[in-house]
Amino acid sequence: AQKVTQAQTEISVVEKEDVTLDCVYETRDTTYYLFWYKQPPSGELVFLIRRNSFDEQNEISGRYSWNFQKSTSSFNFTITASQVVDSAVYFCALNAGGTSYGKLTFGQGTILTVHP
Amino acid sequence: DAMVIQNPRYQVTQFGKPVTLSCSQTLNHNVMYWYQQKSSQAPKLLFHYYDKDFNNEADTPDNFQSRRPNTSFCFLDIRSPGLGDAAMYLCATSRFKGTQETQYFGPGTRLLVL
Repeated sequence: AQKVTQAQTEISVVEKEDVTLDCVYETRDTTYYLFWYKQPPSGELVFLIRRNSFDEQNEISGRYSWNFQKSTSSFNFTITASQVVDSAVYFCALNAGGTSYGKLTFGQGTILTVHP
Repeated sequence: DAMVIQNPRYQVTQFGKPVTLSCSQTLNHNVMYWYQQKSSQAPKLLFHYYDKDFNNEADTPDNFQSRRPNTSFCFLDIRSPGLGDAAMYLCATSRFKGTQETQYFGPGTRLLVL
């Protein structure tokens, strides 16, 4: 069975602070993909990143960075110098093989509020 | 821009009155998905089409049906909406079915049942 845990239900920061959103996953499959999506108040799920299980390189895209560690089954997301526009719900998701082939398993989401 | 489009963005229906939500895509993707998302919860997969092949999730109520008349369009039919069906309904697409595929989501339709 696949499982994704986002332990932080809500995070509140002040603009320009750095913030890290945690994601821990469980799967018995050796081949899997991890994703992060952003859901602003408008409701659309916006794709941010995809990472496969064989690539543990960290990735940086502007103010966003992701840290993938297989040893701890974690795929954490850091926003540097947060902005009010970063306020949204962020979902971590797992897509693994086996009977769940092609099916996304989502975490419960982390509500990020960035105050001016 | 290639995209996933959902209409309407907001839908109000009455208890027990059938309602249809629509989704279209210009990405020419083979797979289309329907998710239900209730307040403060993660999206829950209802079913998906891989081309014309329909795949229902085991726990999707019979009240929910779907149609995919062609590659571009997919519909979600709720035959007799109950108050518990009030939710955001998200359509998504992916090129193919597989663990490596990224799903791209539409803006969603927020359904209110009176």
